[in-house]
Amino acid sequence: AQSVTQLDSQVPVFEEAPVELRCNYSSSVSVYLFWYVQYPNQGLQLLLKYLSGSTLVESINGFEAEFNKSQTSFHLRKPSVHISDTAEYFCAVSDRKGGSEKLVFGKGTKLTVNP
Amino acid sequence: EPEVTQTPSHQVTQMGQEVILRCVPISNHLYFYWYRQILGQKVEFLVSFYNNEISEKSEIFDDQFSVERPDGSNFTLKIRSTKLEDSAMYFCASSVAGFGELFFGEGSRLTVL
Repeated sequence: AQSVTQLDSQVPVFEEAPVELRCNYSSSVSVYLFWYVQYPNQGLQLLLKYLSGSTLVESINGFEAEFNKSQTSFHLRKPSVHISDTAEYFCAVSDRKGGSEKLVFGKGTKLTVNP
Repeated sequence: EPEVTQTPSHQVTQMGQEVILRCVPISNHLYFYWYRQILGQKVEFLVSFYNNEISEKSEIFDDQFSVERPDGSNFTLKIRSTKLEDSAMYFCASSVAGFGELFFGEGSRLTVL
């Protein structure tokens, strides 16, 4: 079965600083990888996903993640964060069993952007 | 934009009581899921549902849990006899194709006293 490790439970940064949220997954023949974001008192929203093709994927609000097969990583980065990026970020990997597929989540990284 | 809706947003119940959490998935989606998140822990898979039957369930999803799609729109999670350790945020999700993006509801917080 697949598993996901998010190495940092909390990441405090100042506004306009760069940030990297780390994610490693257990290896498999092929994977789909996701980052979800949870703003306070809201549900999980898809931030970006890697299904195939280019290993660098981007979101509409400036985040990007790079699929690195050799390091089994899918780290999330943003060159300059805003206060509004304060949220919890979850890395997830698809896990297929028979004909069924589900997402396996990491423990989450709480990003706090300070003024 | 279509969304997954969940009710109630918060339910408080006594240990041993039955609880039903309701979800309305996005209308053209075919695959449905329940996940839960105990406070401070990871989001855990409970069950997936397709074509009116369970396609996969985790070891958490024991005989106390059941799911149902009673009509064309609702997808429910029932906990027969709640325990203290069932206290968590329960998320419903749906997808079109069973892989790729899952669309999540805002969650139902269950507190068992």
